[in-house]
Amino acid sequence: DAKTTQPPSMDCAEGRAANLPCNHSTISGNEYVYWYRQIHSQGPQYIIHGLKNNETNEMASLIITEDRKSSTLILPHATLRDTAVYYCIVRSDSNYQLIWGAGTKLIIKP
Amino acid sequence: ETGVTQTPRHLVMGMTNKKSLKCEQHLGHNAMYWYKQSAKKPLELMFVYNFKEQTENNSVPSRFSPECPNSSHLFLHLHTLQPEDSALYLCASSLRGQKVRTPIVYNSPLHFGNGTRLTVT
Repeated sequence: DAKTTQPPSMDCAEGRAANLPCNHSTISGNEYVYWYRQIHSQGPQYIIHGLKNNETNEMASLIITEDRKSSTLILPHATLRDTAVYYCIVRSDSNYQLIWGAGTKLIIKP
Repeated sequence: ETGVTQTPRHLVMGMTNKKSLKCEQHLGHNAMYWYKQSAKKPLELMFVYNFKEQTENNSVPSRFSPECPNSSHLFLHLHTLQPEDSALYLCASSLRGQKVRTPIVYNSPLHFGNGTRLTVT
C-alpha cells in the first residue's frame, strides 16, 4: 500500500473550517483514501473515505485532486472536541493492512 | 459508544502473570483485528481473523496468543510479557466479503474499541 505524508501539527480557531492536507503521490488506481482520527485515550474513529470523487458526510468533506496524488479533509466548523490526531491512509479493498503514519495533531483553539 | 467494547480498560501485570484481553463487537462484522499502539509509534497490526479463521499474524511473539471463538468475540491471551510490551492494545472489526459473481473483495472501514492500556512491571 502507498505511503502518505501529513504535516505533524496544525492549529485552527474554533468555528472556522479546518483543512488537513495529505500527500499520497504513489497511490494505485484501486486504492482508497481513508481518514481516521484519534482523540486522546480513545481508539481511532473512522471519518470518511473516497476513491476519486469528492465525498461528504455528517462529520467532514474529503476533496481528492484529479490526479489523486493528494487530498484534503475539511471539518467545516471546528469545535474544541475536534482536537485529535488525524490519520490519512491509503488502502485497497483486498488488503487487510492499514499503514498508519504519525498523522497530524490538530489543535482547535477557543 | 463505538460498537466495539474492550475490557479491561487498564491492566497492570507482572512479567510472570497470565492475563487475557477481551473484545466484543455488536456491529455484525465478520473480521476482527488486534493492533498495538506504543508511545510515539504508529499503530501496528498484530492479528487478523476473518470468519473466526486467523488470516494474518504479523510476526508477533508467541507470548501473545489470540483466540476468536466466533465472529463477535476476540481475545488476546498474554503470558510472560516484557516491559517493552507495555502499550495500548486496540481491537477493531470490519465487514469483509466478496462482491457477488466477481473476484472483487470489499472491506468496510474499521471500527475500533477504546483499547486496553497495558502496563507490564
